[in-house]
Amino acid sequence: EIVLTQSPTTMTASPGEKVTITCRASSSVNYMHWYQQKPGASPKPWIYETSKLASGVPDRFSGSGSGTSYSLTINNMEAEDAATYYCQQWNYPSITFGSGTKLEIK
Amino acid sequence: EVKLVESGGGLVQPRRSLKLSCAASGFSFNDYWMGWVRQAPGKGLEWIGEINQDSSTINYTPSLKDKFTISRDNAQNTLYLQMSKLGSEDTAIYYCARLSYYGYFNYWGQGVKVTVSS
Repeated sequence: EIVLTQSPTTMTASPGEKVTITCRASSSVNYMHWYQQKPGASPKPWIYETSKLASGVPDRFSGSGSGTSYSLTINNMEAEDAATYYCQQWNYPSITFGSGTKLEIK
Repeated sequence: EVKLVESGGGLVQPRRSLKLSCAASGFSFNDYWMGWVRQAPGKGLEWIGEINQDSSTINYTPSLKDKFTISRDNAQNTLYLQMSKLGSEDTAIYYCARLSYYGYFNYWGQGVKVTVSS
């Protein structure tokens, strides 16, 4: 089973700040997917196949990476971006999620 | 519009069983892999398992494969999760989700709460 380690676990960013969340895999994966979740809501698809933005996701978000190291970046943090972000990989036949990064606004 | 609606949750006693359903609409259900994901209170997301279009392939996370059974009824556009020998550690919100080609959950239900307690 591939273990995904996200960092940081929690972070606080000011409006306009650049934010980077990383996700490291215990073995190489082909793609990384990301979800945004706000309290009381279902996870929302956010970035898929490493770098593609899901429908409705603002273009201040981007994703990158390869092999065992992936990241989600927010350029110009906004209040609405405060949420928990999870990475996820599919290395057939197993799917695993990272433990999440809680992003708060200052 | 793609919709996934879970049902069947609630309060269940330890060591009992419970079956969750997920009604799908707005897409051709029998064309897609489907999966279940759960989230314990205050915790992260945990993949439970997935099922292919004709139920010939079902994969589970190792720790749950002897307790949980995933099935589907394509005629009814419904996904199921049969849970047995439930314990307090199974208290969670259970989500059904549709899988895309690259193993990405592109649609999620609203979730159903399961509480295991005496």
